[in-house]
Amino acid sequence: GEEVAQTPKHLVRGEGQKAKLYCAPIKGHSYVFWYQQVLKNEFKFLISFQNENVFDETGMPKERFSAKCLPNSPCSLEIQATKLEDSAVYFCASSQFKGQGPITSQPQHFGDGTRLSIL
Amino acid sequence: SQQGEEDPQALSIQEGENATMNCSYKTSINNLQWYRQNSGRGLVHLILIRSNEREKHSGRLRVTLDTSKKSSSLLITASRAADTASYFCATPRGYGGSQGNLIFGKGTKLSVKP
Repeated sequence: GEEVAQTPKHLVRGEGQKAKLYCAPIKGHSYVFWYQQVLKNEFKFLISFQNENVFDETGMPKERFSAKCLPNSPCSLEIQATKLEDSAVYFCASSQFKGQGPITSQPQHFGDGTRLSIL
Repeated sequence: SQQGEEDPQALSIQEGENATMNCSYKTSINNLQWYRQNSGRGLVHLILIRSNEREKHSGRLRVTLDTSKKSSSLLITASRAADTASYFCATPRGYGGSQGNLIFGKGTKLSVKP
């Protein structure tokens, strides 16, 4: 597709439950990024993929967070044993590698996010 | 800590006026990007300026980059109510952007009154 599609738009979970978020990147884009936006508008980088391979996972709280980008499937971000502090909007972005320079020299195309509320 | 810091945090102007937002960053970069976020939506890429460029235009947008001061500005001319949004600057993380992700500032919330 021509847009990054994130589902669901809203997700409500009780503390301790599992949450799974999905992202379909723009067709032809080989990089996918996950960010977390909390109330103060700050974007926190979580993880990035180059195709199905993890490119950079330095932002991931590894104990409870996991992510995958499998061929022919939407990418996913899963949070086990959710905590109140996980409440945030989770954004997925995709980017197209144009053959030269680092991937951060390309624009990132964002979906509209999944609002996760932990009660 | 945040690489980019926008200033001001909030800006309220009348339609037709110009809006200027500033961004300061800490480390050497090879490019800087500006994004817009409308309420309840994702970020939309506006413009990318490379470290060897001093100024770039796109429609009513003008971006400047001063690498000696580690700062950038975004000017929106003849603002419209539809420009109401939060604006973020973003810089690559890691030397040469090698770490693969962008670091976003906290944004400037622009309100354009009709």
